Amino acid sequence: SYELTQPPSVSVSPGQTARITCSGDALSKKYAYWYHLRSGQAPVLVIHEDIKRPSGIPERFSGSSSGTMATLTISGAQVEDEGDYYCYSTDSSSDQRVFGGGTKLTVL
Amino acid sequence: EVQLVESGGGLVQPGGSLRLSCVGSGFIINSYEMNWVRRAPGKGLEWLSYISRSGNIQDYADSVKGRFTVSRDNAKNTLFLQMDGLRVDDTAVYFCTRDRPGGTTTPFDLWGQGARVTVSS
Repeated sequence: SYELTQPPSVSVSPGQTARITCSGDALSKKYAYWYHLRSGQAPVLVIHEDIKRPSGIPERFSGSSSGTMATLTISGAQVEDEGDYYCYSTDSSSDQRVFGGGTKLTVL
Repeated sequence: EVQLVESGGGLVQPGGSLRLSCVGSGFIINSYEMNWVRRAPGKGLEWLSYISRSGNIQDYADSVKGRFTVSRDNAKNTLFLQMDGLRVDDTAVYFCTRDRPGGTTTPFDLWGQGARVTVSS
């Protein structure tokens, strides 16, 4: 079955740049999407179609994709950006819907 | 306010059943394809099920196929997940989410806060 691979954790100091990667064989053909989960809150879409930022998402959030890897970048991370980030995509042959394993971002 | 609100979670014994509901407000649910996603304790997000706008097409993850059934009542702006044959490893927070239509459909653009389901004897 199709898998998306993320690092389990990323830690930065406030104001630094956080980068979270997501690798998967089909990412060269399929878009990546990124979601932010904070305990007790509804998850939030922060990046869609690899690079697009929904309205209301701060400009410090950006996305990129090259080959089989997508990257979420938070430029000048804030304490409120802490939480778990998940990438999502689909398999190019089966359309299997898959989330990455998630990355815990710590900002302190 | 545009939001999704789940209800119906709780404690159930292995082999039992639960029915989750998800009410949309601030938007008309029949314009959107809908999904259920869960997060088990200590684990990541898992997509579970999809339902088309009219409800005539459903899709399921292998882990719940044959045990869970997704449905919708567009007149009541509500999505449902009937969960039968529950197992201990179905313990999780269950989220309803919508797909935003467009030139490219955006998956899971809006989420509820989740309903907690605990399967234990």
